[in-house]
Amino acid sequence: GQQLNQSPQSMFIQEGEDVSMNCTSSSIFNTWLWYKQDPGEGPVLLIALYKAGELTSNGRLTAQFGITRKDSFLNISASIPSDVGIYFCAGRPGGGGADGLTFGKGTHLIIQP
Amino acid sequence: GAVVSQHPSRVICKSGTSVKIECRSLDFQATTMFWYRQFPKQSLMLMATSNEGSKATYEQGVEKDKFLINHASLTLSTLTVTSAHPEDSSFYICSARGLALGQFFGPGTRLTVL
Repeated sequence: GQQLNQSPQSMFIQEGEDVSMNCTSSSIFNTWLWYKQDPGEGPVLLIALYKAGELTSNGRLTAQFGITRKDSFLNISASIPSDVGIYFCAGRPGGGGADGLTFGKGTHLIIQP
Repeated sequence: GAVVSQHPSRVICKSGTSVKIECRSLDFQATTMFWYRQFPKQSLMLMATSNEGSKATYEQGVEKDKFLINHASLTLSTLTVTSAHPEDSSFYICSARGLALGQFFGPGTRLTVL
């Protein structure tokens, strides 16, 4: 089945630093989504990308849908303590239909004050 | 908008019993609902896709007779874990998709089977 390679697996950064994480796939995805999950809760949608090359911002977050449709990145600028959590990329392969999402393995973000 | 609820949030049951988990879209009609399972420190794995009024589509390796899914209305889907065993202990998360392309997740249900 489809697989997403998400990196890095974890990040230890200082408050105020910028963060960058990415996902790659060996196959094409038509939709890329980025979620944040806090412990014991469901994922919360951060940014949704629907077109190759699309660059979308949500406050301090910026994500891009790779032009090859096989990758996406998420940047967080000027990190703050509440950014701590696990970030997942997710993709929907093809067709625009109701397929379930394929998730990356997550990036665990830890911020040191 | 786009709020999805799950009930219960936590459940502890004895081995061999069945557990029902409800997933509701509160402010939109969900043409499709999805059920995921997440083990500790791992990613979400899709179990099945549920369309209102039709049989669910299960992912490879997921037993349809063990994980019964019913999508009786555009706002409610249920997952029943039948004859639960300790290895079924996990975090079960549903998501709902309406006319928009986004997929919104419920808060999850922590199942512990003793």
